[in-house]
Amino acid sequence: QQQVKQSPQSLIVQKGGISIINCAYENTAFDYFPWYQQFPGKGPALLIAIRPDVSEKKEGRFTISFNKSAKQFSLHIMDSQPGDSATYFCAASRGAGSYQLTFGKGTKLSVIP
Amino acid sequence: GAVVSQHPSRVICKSGTSVKIECRSLDFQATTMFWYRQFPKQSLMLMATSNEGSKATYEQGVEKDKFLINHASLTLSTLTVTSAHPEDSSFYICSARPLRDSNQPQHFGDGTRLSIL
Repeated sequence: QQQVKQSPQSLIVQKGGISIINCAYENTAFDYFPWYQQFPGKGPALLIAIRPDVSEKKEGRFTISFNKSAKQFSLHIMDSQPGDSATYFCAASRGAGSYQLTFGKGTKLSVIP
Repeated sequence: GAVVSQHPSRVICKSGTSVKIECRSLDFQATTMFWYRQFPKQSLMLMATSNEGSKATYEQGVEKDKFLINHASLTLSTLTVTSAHPEDSSFYICSARPLRDSNQPQHFGDGTRLSIL
């Protein structure tokens, strides 16, 4: 049973545009929702994370929107750049540290000039 | 920032060989480390949770006798793929959580690409 559903599977965005990736979760015990960026041949790197007590978190060009009632959260990348081209994974866990992360299936983002 | 180092980054070996992968937390201590496997164009799948000084906890479907995990110190966990076969070829990634702050997120290593011929 996939507990975190991610869409789209792939995304092509023009440079300067907004990239939007969506995730939905099922387990209401989840209370930590990170997004990871992974380049080919590298491990995932934490991009931004949110807890359910806030509806939005912004760090630079990256924003997470969180809808607790709908059990959905999304990543918005503003002013997308070719260097943002990577695979993005949403994840969820009970707590930030010790608890295991459940990952979405990933979105391959390509930002074209 | 917290750094997790994996070694080797890539290994190619013959079928039947046992391969050891190291995961080190360089600037923090970690009682818990996680081992993931990632097939091409797929997501990370948790294999096991490694606990310092105790036995690892394996996810359903992961053979503990096939994938031996040793977490002998607060900065080192090892994964040994025993008698590896071509179907074990994959990208293996570890992560670790800083001991001192339970609210700190997991930090990932850069992975080990294992290719079994």
